[in-house]
Amino acid sequence: AQRVTQPEKLLSVFKGAPVELKCNYSYSGSPELFWYVQYSRQRLQLLLRHISRESIKGFTADLNKGETSFHLKKPFAQEEDSAMYYCALGTGGGNKLTFGTGTQLKVEL
Amino acid sequence: NAGVTQTPKFQVLKTGQSMTLQCAQDMNHNSMYWYRQDPGMGLRLIYYSASEGTTDKGEVPNGYNVSRLNKREFSLRLESAAPSQTSVYFCASSGWAGGPGANVLTFGAGSRLTVL
Repeated sequence: AQRVTQPEKLLSVFKGAPVELKCNYSYSGSPELFWYVQYSRQRLQLLLRHISRESIKGFTADLNKGETSFHLKKPFAQEEDSAMYYCALGTGGGNKLTFGTGTQLKVEL
Repeated sequence: NAGVTQTPKFQVLKTGQSMTLQCAQDMNHNSMYWYRQDPGMGLRLIYYSASEGTTDKGEVPNGYNVSRLNKREFSLRLESAAPSQTSVYFCASSGWAGGPGANVLTFGAGSRLTVL
């Protein structure tokens, strides 16, 4: 069965510091990985997906199949990055996502 | 465009009462989902509907029933509410499996349910 692990419940960094939110997955097939974000008083929304290979709001994430990881990174954290971040795994051919438990990112001034 | 609309936003129930959470989307999406969000547990899939006329169990279906009324609407029913069902419920929708929008979920605003 597929599984997504986000080891940190809370990550606190200072503004301008680098950010790395960890995500590891377990799946025997070809995975599709996503990061979803929930800002305060806003809806959960897609941040980025691995097949797009793009940078959104300065965030990037690279799928590492060898380490089964999809860590989310940003070189310089901003106050507006404070939010709950969920890593999610989609399985090939299906249309169901398995979410991790989430990491609350707090960017302090 | 409203996207995904869920009602009610808040509800308090007593143990044993029943209620239905309503969800509608106006994006012509094929797939719809119900998730629950609990502290430390993340989002867990309750039920989903890959297309109109089909429904399937997710990770935590016990105590819930669903109805895909038409392509737009997907309701979640609690027949006999229990305190363990206190949670925030999210409805979501996405394009058809295998298509470019697969797994790209659009979420509703959430429904906070408390069962006393």
